[in-house]
Amino acid sequence: NAGVTQTPKFRILKIGQSMTLQCAQDMNHNYMYWYRQDPGMGLKLIYYSVGAGITDKGEVPNGYNVSRSTTEDFPLRLELAAPSQTSVYFCASSYSSTSGTVETQYFGPGTRLLVL
Amino acid sequence: GQNIDQPTEMTATEGAIVQINCTYQTSGFNGLFWYQQHAGEAPTFLSYNVLDGLEEKGRFSSFLSRSKGYSYLLLKELQMKDSASYLCAVADSNYQLIWGAGTKLIIKP
Repeated sequence: NAGVTQTPKFRILKIGQSMTLQCAQDMNHNYMYWYRQDPGMGLKLIYYSVGAGITDKGEVPNGYNVSRSTTEDFPLRLELAAPSQTSVYFCASSYSSTSGTVETQYFGPGTRLLVL
Repeated sequence: GQNIDQPTEMTATEGAIVQINCTYQTSGFNGLFWYQQHAGEAPTFLSYNVLDGLEEKGRFSSFLSRSKGYSYLLLKELQMKDSASYLCAVADSNYQLIWGAGTKLIIKP
């Protein structure tokens, strides 16, 4: 199993450009998450999904969009990049057999994004 | 508001024991996680506590007191490879994780 994979590993964007951060998992997990991690700050939840076709906003969703057309893939879209979006982005997944439970999240290697 | 507090940085000596504390104030509590994150890498799961008490897993142990909003991670027989950041995260009433900023642990020979 590859676990959670993310591409690209590193990207430089100009202000106003758009891009998609890719995330895939091969563990048949139903839950998937996108976080950003800024220096000296805790991980912040951007969006999450509890299954294919279902997504919901996290703590910091502004400037981002997601889709979940399959169980395996959960891409994150930045439409108009801004310097405030410079960060390290982590995708994670977990499996929950019932709603209202907390399960271990498994993380991808991250995408380092620099917006200039 | 929701808040997780951890020391920013700690230093310890190889072979010694170190305790990393975490205090939390959250809207609801559905468990507390500890993750390890080496520089430039992804967080990896270490432990999960939902009931009061001590959970031991090899060289690592994690303690929880829900009444005090307090947890600690205890690392014994420190090795150089334990140099990393240690992240505390609490599952709130919506089962979403609220993350602390992490404690950077520096191990000296």
